[in-house]
Amino acid sequence: GDSVTQMEGPVTLSEEAFLTINCTYTATGYPSLFWYVQYPGEGLQLLLKATKADDKGSNKGFEATYRKETTSFHLEKGSVQVSDSAVYFCALSDLNFGNEKLTFGTGTRLTIIP
Amino acid sequence: DVKVTQSSRYLVKRTGEKVFLECVQDMDHENMFWYRQDPGLGLRLIYFSYDVKMKEKGDIPEGYSVSREKKERFSLILESASTNQTSMYLCASMSRGYEKLFFGSGTQLSVL
Repeated sequence: GDSVTQMEGPVTLSEEAFLTINCTYTATGYPSLFWYVQYPGEGLQLLLKATKADDKGSNKGFEATYRKETTSFHLEKGSVQVSDSAVYFCALSDLNFGNEKLTFGTGTRLTIIP
Repeated sequence: DVKVTQSSRYLVKRTGEKVFLECVQDMDHENMFWYRQDPGLGLRLIYFSYDVKMKEKGDIPEGYSVSREKKERFSLILESASTNQTSMYLCASMSRGYEKLFFGSGTQLSVL
């Protein structure tokens, strides 16, 4: 079945550092790809998405490009802030009887130090 | 804004008890989901529902059941709670065809 593999954490960076969180996927069809973020004490919320190959999703300074040839969707940010400390989940959509369900990776905990 | 409300933030139950976790969404979404979140395992899908009175098994349905009698409400039931069901439970909803999940804040369940 479909699956998502994320780089293991935790990841600790200094403020203003460059961030990359790796994500690769396995899918039989052509899924949409997502990054969700979970701030402390909260549920997950959508950070960005890409629906087809070579699409770039972006939000709040974060970017990820849908790479079909490498089956990857790596999350990047040029200069992280303390407020970016959270758990980040990569996910893909799977059409099931015409309805979507999402499969998530294991999550990567990011801590930014001032 | 869409709101997905889970009835309890923290819950402590005894082994063998029947446990109900309630979830309500206020945006008329067709699709609703129950996930559990465990360290190192991420989110795993327990059950989902695409319409009232419909349910589909997810990846880990054993030991759980669900109920969807009204469109806005999706309940997760642990028929006989066990210690390995200690976890964070997350409810989510989605409008059909929209591909964006809205999550509740989660219920941290401890089974002693």
